[in-house]
Amino acid sequence: ETGVTQSPTHLIKTRGQQVTLRCSSQSGHNTVSWYQQALGQGPQFIFQYYREEENGRGNFPPRFSGLQFPNYSSELNVNALELDDSALYLCASSYPGQSYEQYFGPGTRLTVT
Amino acid sequence: TQLLEQSPQFLSIQEGENLTVYCNSSSVFSSLQWYRQEPGEGPVLLVTVVTGGEVKKLKRLTFQFGDARKDSSLHITAAQPGDTGLYLCAGGGKSTFGDGTTLTVKP
Repeated sequence: ETGVTQSPTHLIKTRGQQVTLRCSSQSGHNTVSWYQQALGQGPQFIFQYYREEENGRGNFPPRFSGLQFPNYSSELNVNALELDDSALYLCASSYPGQSYEQYFGPGTRLTVT
Repeated sequence: TQLLEQSPQFLSIQEGENLTVYCNSSSVFSSLQWYRQEPGEGPVLLVTVVTGGEVKKLKRLTFQFGDARKDSSLHITAAQPGDTGLYLCAGGGKSTFGDGTTLTVKP
């Protein structure tokens, strides 16, 4: 069974640029959620995708967007990067009905300068 | 909006001591998860509690879900340096997370 993978591991971008982060879900999982985790805080829910459709969104502006592909992998896109977007971005996969248990990837550390 | 508050925020203890960390909310959750996260890595699922009053044990870790399903606790017996990490509780379908308890166990 393959776990959740994310790429890249680290990324440095300049304010105003755009970034795409990628996630491969755990085998058998059709739901992917994205979280932003700032230093010293818990993960904050960005959005969730279920069978290629957005299935809920947290309090993040529209410049945060996503996609889920037929193989259930996913992308997180962030446009017009701001300094406050610097954080660890976590992807988690799950299967509906399993009491909301989620399995996380190692994260992508994004630094915006 | 469902919120989860965790306490204490930081905890530093000696190897062999016992400890309890708490996760509280004013909202009812159908289930709560506990995760442990090490620096630079993603959270790792430890346990899910579903039934009010439920107690689950994972080696030296004991998890309890409150009767009203609004709170939970994690008790560690005889803590070891390998227990060091950020302990997070989460609940809800779009997982609301607390800000965690950072535990440091000194040898």
